[in-house]
Amino acid sequence: ETGVTQTPRHLVMGMTNKKSLKCEQHLGHNAMYWYKQSAKKPLELMFVYNFKEQTENNSVPSRFSPECPNSSHLFLHLHTLQPEDSALYLCASSQGVGQPQHFGDGTRLSIL
Amino acid sequence: AQKVTQAQTEISVVEKEDVTLDCVYETRDTTYYLFWYKQPPSGELVFLIRRNSFDEQNEISGRYSWNFQKSTSSFNFTITASQVVDSAGYFCALSFNDYKLSFGAGTTVTVRA
Repeated sequence: ETGVTQTPRHLVMGMTNKKSLKCEQHLGHNAMYWYKQSAKKPLELMFVYNFKEQTENNSVPSRFSPECPNSSHLFLHLHTLQPEDSALYLCASSQGVGQPQHFGDGTRLSIL
Repeated sequence: AQKVTQAQTEISVVEKEDVTLDCVYETRDTTYYLFWYKQPPSGELVFLIRRNSFDEQNEISGRYSWNFQKSTSSFNFTITASQVVDSAGYFCALSFNDYKLSFGAGTTVTVRA
């Protein structure tokens, strides 16, 4: 296993479902991130974790709930999502401030 | 406020042509970092280069080259002799002494055979 791995790659869910996105990094990095990428919009930073502690919540609605049990794993729990939440969700990790972030392949989420 | 502008939304070229992607940034900080990422159709963002604000030396890596000019707040990226495999989205990004990375809107490059 190398780099940053995200599962699932694709997810279709109804607005009342509950699901979780998973991210795992094998790079020994201390910081992990969730981004949202919608069509025609720049990547939006959602959450930042540094050494398992959340350091940034970029005004994300509470229907998105992150969890970081250790420096290698990051989850994004989803519940009661809206159609406008359909997007590509990208996970990234980095060694520290100012260092390159390394991204996973993303989870393409579709809300019915 | 920090901001990254990539004015070119889409660029289409024929194979072997050179293509230059523009990136203009805004900041009042003296210490910052600039990045370029490539996003192929598969979705993953691939890190290409990192520059800190104190290093204005231009860089060349194979067919890729970068021109960093603090005087014009620009960090442009050129692909020389483009190939079909270069077709992708390209994103410029900016960060400071924190964990936030601000991305530009991206430029989609299409290289036709």
